[in-house]
Amino acid sequence: NAGVMQNPRHLVRRRGQEARLRCSPMKGHSHVYWYRQLPEEGLKFMVYLQKENIIDESGMPKERFSAEFPKEGPSILRIQQVVRGDSAAYFCASSPGGANVLTFGAGSRLTVL
Amino acid sequence: TQLLEQSPQFLSIQEGENLTVYCNSSSVFSSLQWYRQEPGEGPVLLVTVVTGGEVKKLKRLTFQFGDARKDSSLHITAAQTGDTGLYLCAGAGGNYGQNFVFGPGTRLSVLP
Repeated sequence: NAGVMQNPRHLVRRRGQEARLRCSPMKGHSHVYWYRQLPEEGLKFMVYLQKENIIDESGMPKERFSAEFPKEGPSILRIQQVVRGDSAAYFCASSPGGANVLTFGAGSRLTVL
Repeated sequence: TQLLEQSPQFLSIQEGENLTVYCNSSSVFSSLQWYRQEPGEGPVLLVTVVTGGEVKKLKRLTFQFGDARKDSSLHITAAQTGDTGLYLCAGAGGNYGQNFVFGPGTRLSVLP
């Protein structure tokens, strides 16, 4: 029973390029959360999704960032026209519906040159 | 906006010592979780506390949820080098009660 799978683990992009981060939740989990973590800081909530629905995107920057969780396939966090300030670790977590427990992936580390 | 504070921010101790770290908020949470995160990895859940005044023990770790469900503490007895990591508390909150608000963490180093 694989845990939460994130890929790529490391991603390097130049300013202005696009970054796509993927997250496959644990089997049986229909809720996905994305968090961002800067060095030496805690986790900042970005977005919470269920299959085909964005439930809460209050932590997501209004521009350049988008997220989806299609009926089939992984959840994707997309960052367009990346800037150096986007460099961070992006963590995905999943939970079964209604539960108050999160299972995290190992994270995707984005470096913008 | 619900916020969580954690103290101390950094803690360095010798193996065998005891320690307590704290998680505080002005808000009430329906539940609170403690996670440990090691470098290069995602946070791993240690415990969930739900009831005010609840105490849970996990081997050498003792977790307590405040009576008012606004604060929590984590006590480690006889720390080991393997306890080194970032300890994060998270409260269930957000617009729909399904989001988890994380504190900034306590970075613990246990020296041999």
